[in-house]
Amino acid sequence: EAGVAQSPRYKIIEKRQSVAFWCNPISGHATLYWYQQILGQGPKLLIQFQNNGVVDDSQLPKDRFSAERLKGVDSTLKIQPAKLEDSAVYLCASSLGLAGGPNTDTQYFGPGTRLTVL
Amino acid sequence: SQQGEEDPQALSIQEGENATMNCSYKTSINNLQWYRQNSGRGLVHLILIRSNEREKHSGRLRVTLDTSKKSSSLLITASRAADTASYFCATGRTGANNLFFGTGTRLTVIP
Repeated sequence: EAGVAQSPRYKIIEKRQSVAFWCNPISGHATLYWYQQILGQGPKLLIQFQNNGVVDDSQLPKDRFSAERLKGVDSTLKIQPAKLEDSAVYLCASSLGLAGGPNTDTQYFGPGTRLTVL
Repeated sequence: SQQGEEDPQALSIQEGENATMNCSYKTSINNLQWYRQNSGRGLVHLILIRSNEREKHSGRLRVTLDTSKKSSSLLITASRAADTASYFCATGRTGANNLFFGTGTRLTVIP
């Protein structure tokens, strides 16, 4: 089966500019996650969708970050305006969304988008 | 901190040797997962162990979980150069919908 697709793979912008990332999850996966991974650290969850509804966005800096998952499939993550500290890899993941609880799901990750803010 | 902590931060071994990395966490969990990340790539799920399990095997991987000590270990036996990667533990906290990832162990296997 096709994996999680993300684009672009790399993006360089100047601070205060805006940027958008796109994610296409594995077909049939109800749960979609966006993570931020700063160099040398583990992934930090930004937002989690179940179908097209938000399950958890407690760590999303809502003054500058936004995300949507229209029709419960593809998702976009936007940063506007970007700051230097937003330089990181943005990972998208998806999982089946099992009835037993999403935190027991296996998450399938895309290759990530490496963002550099100058 | 929301993240678990892996120990050691970095590990370098010769091909054929065993590699052991540890993960400690602070809250009650219902499962713990290990993921691998090759340089510049996304994470790949390796194994999941539930809170009522003490040990689990998958190929050359062996995971243990001690909920009384809030710790887990990942053992990779007969390591290969292709095992060179960062390894992350992720905890599924009781009552939470998502996983919390640790800071990772960088494993280098020297051919």
